Amino acid sequence: DTAVSQTPKYLVTQMGNDKSIKCEQNLGHDTMYWYKQDSKKFLKIMFSYNNKELIINETVPNRFSPKSPDKAHLNLHINSLELGDSAVYFCASSQVRIGELFFGEGSRLTVL
Amino acid sequence: AQKVTQAQTEISVVEKEDVTLDCVYETRDTTYYLFWYKQPPSGELVFLIRRNSFDEQNEISGRYSWNFQKSTSSFNFTITASQVVDSAVYFCALKSSGGYNKLIFGAGTRLAVHP
Repeated sequence: DTAVSQTPKYLVTQMGNDKSIKCEQNLGHDTMYWYKQDSKKFLKIMFSYNNKELIINETVPNRFSPKSPDKAHLNLHINSLELGDSAVYFCASSQVRIGELFFGEGSRLTVL
Repeated sequence: AQKVTQAQTEISVVEKEDVTLDCVYETRDTTYYLFWYKQPPSGELVFLIRRNSFDEQNEISGRYSWNFQKSTSSFNFTITASQVVDSAVYFCALKSSGGYNKLIFGAGTRLAVHP
């Protein structure tokens, strides 16, 4: 059983399109995250939800909209895709007080 | 402000060599947590270790060891007798005691172990 699973693993799309990435965790954690890893491997937090409530929003363009229907799911919708959105997007989860994040396998988005 | 610096961008070693990956952090918090993650060529992020700021004991796990020194704000990672399977990008990360687990990552060190 995969602890944190993301779909799809690969996305190739044209500029201007809208796309979504889904994430689910079965660890019973109460906090979930989206991280972006750019072409230089730099990892930066985008969003964090705790029990479905948005708690971290790191100056991400509002074309990016996270949605958490319940504490086991955190989806990422991206409108009007741009070339600079090409990256690997990682979902993660944790228990707030424990510390370590468990990451999904990543979703590689390529915008042409 | 919080910051993690991994000054070594790339390291190349031959199998069986020992290698140390450096990590220097900055934080004003007195309670914080430090982490190391491994990202092999397959791309997933694998948790390796977490260290609390109030516990400066070094840790050893098989061929891996970690040296935490608050006096120099460093949390270095040593691989003894490196193997080709150790080839990966290694990330050091910092989290403060407050907030909701916002992990700040260093830029990563790419380790290549050659046969």
